[in-house]
Amino acid sequence: ETGVTQTPRHLVMGMTNKKSLKCEQHLGHNAMYWYKQSAKKPLELMFVYNFKEQTENNSVPSRFSPECPNSSHLFLHLHTLQPEDSALYLCASSPRQGDSPLHFGNGTRLTVT
Amino acid sequence: AQKITQTQPGMFVQEKEAVTLDCTYDTSDQSYGLFWYKQPSSGEMIFLIYQGSYDEQNATEGRYSLNFQKARKSANLVISASQLGDSAMYFCAMNPESNRLAFGKGNQVVVIP
Repeated sequence: ETGVTQTPRHLVMGMTNKKSLKCEQHLGHNAMYWYKQSAKKPLELMFVYNFKEQTENNSVPSRFSPECPNSSHLFLHLHTLQPEDSALYLCASSPRQGDSPLHFGNGTRLTVT
Repeated sequence: AQKITQTQPGMFVQEKEAVTLDCTYDTSDQSYGLFWYKQPSSGEMIFLIYQGSYDEQNATEGRYSLNFQKARKSANLVISASQLGDSAMYFCAMNPESNRLAFGKGNQVVVIP
């Protein structure tokens, strides 16, 4: 079983839809991260959870809503997105926040139409 | 804010040859970590190698080595004996004292037979 699993792999949604991205890690880590990867831009940190508590929100618009019910699962709830939100969304984990390296999932390729 | 610079255009490298990927960084921190990740077309970010700012020896990991020049603030990745499976995007990243991992924009490498 891979360490960090993301579902779905691909998602196409309209601007009025509500969808959720899921991330699950089987590494026993306590920190989980959401990153956004847009074309020709560096990875952007969105959110960090450490021991289920949100510790970072990198000025992310409220149309992105994270949820971390336990240390193994992380969700990103999406609603009323914009076309510029189309990107690869990567989940990562580490033993604790600040520990390195991060272990990444395969990402969800999101297209907003 | 920390800044990671990867300026090389896409690179073609002959199979079995070595390739060097450039990375420079800007930080005023004394303690930091440097990383290289590989991202194949599947999307997953794969950790390759780590160098601590206080490490005196250059890091090596199999066919990967990191040419760390602290005074010049550079952390170039060397891949020896390139293989077709090395074709991917390669990202340099730095974890500063704030523990907010920052990524460069990446280098595209294509290995040709």
